[in-house]
Amino acid sequence: DQQVKQNSPSLSVQEGRISILNCDYTNSMFDYFLWYKKYPAEGPTFLISISSIKDKNEDGRFTVFLNKSAKHLSLHIVPSQPGDSAVYFCAAYSVQGAQKLVFGQGTRLTINP
Amino acid sequence: DAGITQSPRHKVTETGTPVTLRCHQTENHRYMYWYRQDPGHGLRLIHYSYGVKDTDKGEVSDGYSVSRSKTEDFLLTLESATSSQTSVYFCAISELGGETQYFGPGTRLLVL
Repeated sequence: DQQVKQNSPSLSVQEGRISILNCDYTNSMFDYFLWYKKYPAEGPTFLISISSIKDKNEDGRFTVFLNKSAKHLSLHIVPSQPGDSAVYFCAAYSVQGAQKLVFGQGTRLTINP
Repeated sequence: DAGITQSPRHKVTETGTPVTLRCHQTENHRYMYWYRQDPGHGLRLIHYSYGVKDTDKGEVSDGYSVSRSKTEDFLLTLESATSSQTSVYFCAISELGGETQYFGPGTRLLVL
């Protein structure tokens, strides 16, 4: 049972345009949602998070939107830069559950010059 | 960057042999995790630890065991490696559990 899903394995965006990565979840008990970024041959690094009591969190070029009624979150990157090319994982966490994150399958973002 | 190292970084082994991967942290974080990353599956939790000698299973724990005798070290053992355990293994640490985790550089394991 995949509780967190990223249905787009890959996404290609032109440099300077907006990149939108999507994530769906099924467990309404999740309290926090996070995005991680991963470059080849490196471990994932934390990018941005959002609490379930908010619908938007912004950090520079990165904004995460949460739609609880649709059980959907998205990561917007504006403007996209070549260094943003990486695999992006969304993850979710329940405060009342075990102390562990549930990850999606990942989306490979490629920024074209 | 969080102080997390993994060893070895690369390993090739044969089916049926035991393999131990080591995760070492210098952050004194309470929680430590082992994940595997496979195409189409993302990151899947194998085992995690919430303190010295306190461990629990993740979603893909079959064929794996773990031990944590010191705060800084978390060992993952494949008792008898199989080709299905060919993967990239990541260790992660967290101070408070869940939420933000910091990942090591990964170990690439090939089981022939």
